[in-house]
Amino acid sequence: NAGVTQTPKFQVLKTGQSMTLQCAQDMNHNSMYWYRQDPGMGLRLIYYSASEGTTDKGEVPNGYNVSRLNKREFSLRLESAAPSQTSVYFCASSERGGAWQPQHFGDGTRLSIL
Amino acid sequence: QKEVEQDPGPLSVPEGAIVSLNCTYSNSAFQYFMWYRQYSRKGPELLMYTYSSGNKEDGRFTAQVDKSSKYISLFIRDSQPSDSATYLCGTNSGGSNYKLTFGKGTLLTVNP
Repeated sequence: NAGVTQTPKFQVLKTGQSMTLQCAQDMNHNSMYWYRQDPGMGLRLIYYSASEGTTDKGEVPNGYNVSRLNKREFSLRLESAAPSQTSVYFCASSERGGAWQPQHFGDGTRLSIL
Repeated sequence: QKEVEQDPGPLSVPEGAIVSLNCTYSNSAFQYFMWYRQYSRKGPELLMYTYSSGNKEDGRFTAQVDKSSKYISLFIRDSQPSDSATYLCGTNSGGSNYKLTFGKGTLLTVNP
């Protein structure tokens, strides 16, 4: 039972390079989310997709773009990476939006930008 | 003031101890409260979630919410070394609000 799968697990980029983080879920969930986790800052929502075909900004969207490719897949793109985007990125999904439908997380992508 | 405050610890206890983890929040609109466990280099895993005030028990874990004092607690009975992890509290106001607001997490170590 895979749940939420993120690729790659690790990546090192140089400042200015672009990168797409991939996320796929096999639970037939409607809603998907991208978070970043930084020491001392906790988990912060970057973007979310309430359902296939919709995306919305979260708390820290600047410097990122997203694509909800289909119901299963939700990608996060860094167009011009900056050292401030060094973080651990988590994708999550839920059956539908709202807290009464718990969010299930992947194991993260560890991204370093030099 | 942060919307959700959580003591980052670290907290170190002997095996078998009762552990109390706590968060406070400032937004009275929060209605849903949850606890996630995160092992090192893994994603957060949902432990429990509750709606409004009261207690919820699941095995050795009890989640408690006191909305009057805006206080969230997680109790772990008979703690085990396998409970060693970071524990994150989270909240949401419900409705069409998709955003979960998390505390920064408390690092717990249970020593054999």
